[in-house]
Amino acid sequence: DAKTTQPPSMDCAEGRAANLPCNHSTISGNEYVYWYRQIHSQGPQYIIHGLKNNETNEMASLIITEDRKSSTLILPHATLRDTAVYYCIGTLGGSQGNLIFGKGTKLSVKP
Amino acid sequence: DAGITQSPRYKITETGRQVTLMCHQTWSHSYMFWYRQDLGHGLRLIYYSAAADITDKGEVPDGYVVSRSKTENFPLTLESATRSQTSVYFCASTEGDFEQYFGPGTRLTVT
Repeated sequence: DAKTTQPPSMDCAEGRAANLPCNHSTISGNEYVYWYRQIHSQGPQYIIHGLKNNETNEMASLIITEDRKSSTLILPHATLRDTAVYYCIGTLGGSQGNLIFGKGTKLSVKP
Repeated sequence: DAGITQSPRYKITETGRQVTLMCHQTWSHSYMFWYRQDLGHGLRLIYYSAAADITDKGEVPDGYVVSRSKTENFPLTLESATRSQTSVYFCASTEGDFEQYFGPGTRLTVT
C-alpha cells in the first residue's frame, strides 16, 4: 500500500469549501486513492475513491494530479456535521488491499 | 435490522480472561475485517476473511483468534486478554467492491 501524508489538522468556515490535501508519491499504477472519514467515536465512513480521473459523488469531489502523486478531497459546502478525521488511503481495493489508515486530517468546521 | 452490528458495544474484562467480540452483517458480503484503533494510531488491521472458513492475518494478529463458520458472522476472540489490548475494535465488510462498511465499534477495557 502507498504511504500517504496529510496535514494533521485544518479549519474551515461553515458553508465554505473544504479542500483536504494528500500526498501519495509512492502510489503504484494500479492502486486507488480512497477517502474515508471518522466522526467522533463512530466507525469510519467511505467518502469517495479514484484511480486516475477526477471523481464526484453526492458527498465530495476528488481531484487527482496527472502524475498521481497527490490528490485533494473537496467538500463543496462544509457543514458542522462534516467535522471529522479524514483519511486518505492508497490501496489496491476494499477487499484486496485492505485499508491502511494513517493518522488523517482533523477537519474542524467552524460557524 | 440491515447492516453491520457489533456486540457488545462496551466491555470491561480482567487480564487473562478470554473475551469474544461479535460481528454480524446482513448483506452476505464475502469479505470481513477486524481493526483496532488506539490513541495515536490510525486503524490497524488484525484479521480479515475472504469467505467462510478463509481467514488471514493482518498487521497486528498476535493474541487474537478469529473464525468464520458462517458468511454473516466474524467473531474475534482474545484468548487471554492483556492491558495492551485495551482498544476500540471495529468490524467491517465488503463484497469486493471498493467501499468497506464499518460497524459502530466495541470499546474494550482490560483491567
